[in-house]
Amino acid sequence: DAEITQSPRHKITETGRQVTLACHQTWNHNNMFWYRQDLGHGLRLIHYSYGVQDTNKGEVSDGYSVSRSNTEDLPLTLESAASSQTSVYFCASSEHENEQFFGPGTRLTVL
Amino acid sequence: AQSVAQPEDQVNVAEGNPLTVKCTYSVSGNPYLFWYVQYPNRGLQFLLKYITGDNLVKGSYGFEAEFNKSQTSFHLKKPSALVSDSALYFCAVRGTNAGKSTFGDGTTLTVKP
Repeated sequence: DAEITQSPRHKITETGRQVTLACHQTWNHNNMFWYRQDLGHGLRLIHYSYGVQDTNKGEVSDGYSVSRSNTEDLPLTLESAASSQTSVYFCASSEHENEQFFGPGTRLTVL
Repeated sequence: AQSVAQPEDQVNVAEGNPLTVKCTYSVSGNPYLFWYVQYPNRGLQFLLKYITGDNLVKGSYGFEAEFNKSQTSFHLKKPSALVSDSALYFCAVRGTNAGKSTFGDGTTLTVKP
């Protein structure tokens, strides 16, 4: 069955370190998204991609970057982790106007 | 710009009673509307969507939602709530020409036995 996976599921890092969160989908979807979820803020869009070599900034993109070298993967990089980036991160994918399929999430703690 | 409002942070209902979780939206053009559910420590799961056609949409687990264009609403409903329906519910909207959805802040549904 097709799926979307995220790794690691839990990560603890220190302020200033570079961190990369992986997202892999086997739906063959063109659209992929990264969100963060914090209490009181719901889901906030970080970056998104409509296809290979395409990336776009979302509403909270500062301090984050993505690259899309193939259809299946959209890794999210925190260039220099900050305590404000402690959050739960969700990756999602979709095709055209259809619903999004979400990964299980990565809980990131920045100390 | 598109936006979604879920006016209630929390909805409490008794098991067996009908439930409603409210959602209103603002979007340019025709909307694509979605409801998702999130259980603790899990990702969001798709429940149902409105793209076009019948204003009453039926989805998973007995949920349904009614699209009301004049009131720009898309409320989630279920005739008889179950304790297992207790979860966090998100409404999302996407404009016809937009590739990304905007999510509401979520409503926590608690169904008491």
